[in-house]
Amino acid sequence: DAKTTQPTSMDCAEGRAANLPCNHSTISGNEYVYWYRQIHSQGPQYIIHGLKNNETNEMASLIITEDRKSSTLILPHATLRDTAVYYCIVGETSYDKVIFGPGTSLSVIP
Amino acid sequence: NAGVMQNPRHLVRRRGQEARLRCSPMKGHSHVYWYRQLPEEGLKFMVYLQKENIIDESGMPKERFSAEFPKEGPSILRIQQVVRGDSAAYFCASSHSESTGAYGYTFGSGTRLTVV
Repeated sequence: DAKTTQPTSMDCAEGRAANLPCNHSTISGNEYVYWYRQIHSQGPQYIIHGLKNNETNEMASLIITEDRKSSTLILPHATLRDTAVYYCIVGETSYDKVIFGPGTSLSVIP
Repeated sequence: NAGVMQNPRHLVRRRGQEARLRCSPMKGHSHVYWYRQLPEEGLKFMVYLQKENIIDESGMPKERFSAEFPKEGPSILRIQQVVRGDSAAYFCASSHSESTGAYGYTFGSGTRLTVV
């Protein structure tokens, strides 16, 4: 079973920042937080991951709370192409299979 | 560097036939994972393979489904005697090594299986 909880759906205005929350209160010390997204009918796409520190790449930023029990994925300037289901996943950097929960369905609105 | 290649993209089978889904991992990747996504549902883990070994098949249905990843060639997900409930999108992912974990996952575009 997935070890994270996310809102079922969210809307965001085009051009604004999309902030997607995730709760992972049972995360262990050696588990990372990963984010993927799935645009309709396509394969999931890795976005970003982090352990303790905030992370940023060309796609998004990841903010992890100090107690590591929750995190927020930030898409700084959402576009219509960012409409997708976003999955927050916790796991170790071992092979451990990725277990997807239902994710958050983000709709970017013109 | 080509990504994860899955073929065919679309596959139609009659009930009772066999379906063979192929996945070629990214170059240098030796770990393959198969997922199934039923219509309007989430991604469900099926099986994790390394070359010539099944590591974790806890998500595989007990009957009719099998997977292999031979020393040479792509990984194959085989579904015997397909039924309508097997209609789904099947995604394959690959990673470089155990140490990369989820970070190293690259997914293919999937095979859409339709059983008529």
